[in-house]
Amino acid sequence: GQQVMQIPQYQHVQEGEDFTTYCNSSTTLSNIQWYKQRPGGHPVFLIQLVKSGEVKKQKRLTFQFGEAKKNSSLHITATQTTDVGTYFCAGRSGSGAGSYQLTFGKGTKLSVIP
Amino acid sequence: EAQVTQNPRYLITVTGKKLTVTCSQNMNHEYMSWYRQDPGLGLRQIYYSMNVEVTDKGDVPEGYKVSRKEKRNFPLILESPSPNQTSLYFCASTGRGPEGGYNEQFFGPGTRLTVL
Repeated sequence: GQQVMQIPQYQHVQEGEDFTTYCNSSTTLSNIQWYKQRPGGHPVFLIQLVKSGEVKKQKRLTFQFGEAKKNSSLHITATQTTDVGTYFCAGRSGSGAGSYQLTFGKGTKLSVIP
Repeated sequence: EAQVTQNPRYLITVTGKKLTVTCSQNMNHEYMSWYRQDPGLGLRQIYYSMNVEVTDKGDVPEGYKVSRKEKRNFPLILESPSPNQTSLYFCASTGRGPEGGYNEQFFGPGTRLTVL
């Protein structure tokens, strides 16, 4: 079945440093989503990427979808303590009725040292 | 307010005592799903449902049951809980976009279950 690998598993950064997490899928994806889970909270949707090579920005967050639609990254510029949490990617493959299933990566837990 | 609710939020029980975790969404979503989250293992899908009376196994269905009698509700049933089912459980729902594809998942607040 489809697998989504996410690295690193943990990342500790000094406040103000940049952070990047990467996802790789074993199969070509129709789209990829990113979620953030704050400590003690539940996953919250951040963004969805659909097109090959797509780049989207949300303030200090930059999301990329690879040309082959098998990998994706999330980059945070100048991290802040509010960025603390676990970031998950989740990929969908196929189309039509088969495109409902999301496969989650194991997440990257970000710690920010003030 | 669009939301997914779960109850209870916290539960401590003993081995073999049947329990049900309820999940309800008010967004008229067709697709609902249950996940468990364990340290280092991420989110693993237990069961999912594409619509009323349509359910299917996810990646880790053993020891769990679900039902989908109404569109808004998707309870998770542990007939005989065991300590290895101690975990954080999330219910989620997804709706369709205007072009027919599925959108983002909305997660409930989570249920922390401890089985002694």
